[in-house]
Amino acid sequence: DTEVTQTPKHLVMGMTNKKSLKCEQHMGHRAMYWYKQKAKKPPELMFVYSYEKLSINESVPSRFSPECPNSSLLNLHLHALQPEDSALYLCASSQGRQGKAGNTIYFGEGSWLTVV
Amino acid sequence: QQPVQSPQAVILREGEDAVINCSSSKALYSVHWYRQKHGEAPVFLMILLKGGEQKGHDKISASFNEKKQQSSLYLTASQLSYSGTYFCGTEVIMNYGGATNKLIFGTGTLLAVQP
Repeated sequence: DTEVTQTPKHLVMGMTNKKSLKCEQHMGHRAMYWYKQKAKKPPELMFVYSYEKLSINESVPSRFSPECPNSSLLNLHLHALQPEDSALYLCASSQGRQGKAGNTIYFGEGSWLTVV
Repeated sequence: QQPVQSPQAVILREGEDAVINCSSSKALYSVHWYRQKHGEAPVFLMILLKGGEQKGHDKISASFNEKKQQSSLYLTASQLSYSGTYFCGTEVIMNYGGATNKLIFGTGTLLAVQP
């Protein structure tokens, strides 16, 4: 079973709102990821959690705040977003290999975010 | 750092073959291939770990030329279900502080298969 589930599937929020995206995996994976994808572009890495610790932040603005409550859950808290933040937000997970190649990443269905 | 794919887009008739190329300016430790249909998540197709490695599933296969820092995805006798955007991905090995490798996606190739 290679399932990563994300909620909500669609979210519309105003620029002053606070909302959260949620992600869950039950594959025993130790690494979880947030990617952002704009239309007709490849996914861009935002954050990586490894063993529940934030290990990579790709210089993402502080209006995006990740949280990893446990090894199965990953949240992305959103506050004071801009219309240009509208995109597909993809959660993913992997076994979390370190130091050598071969880390297959599995993606959830994504959350479509529209900022108005 | 982002791998470059070619062609950017290709249109095929059912039953035709296609090749998608992925090139990197940096050393490749592995190559991952994904397909993404419109409005859906990327779906993992295969991973190649060694130079010279070739893999295949059904009528989709890939090769990895480590020296040339390139990989190619081969789609033979294409079916309508092959339509979508194909991405290669390369791993960046993180050798510090318990960090997990990160996957950088290529520029993407849009494949449309017509009846």
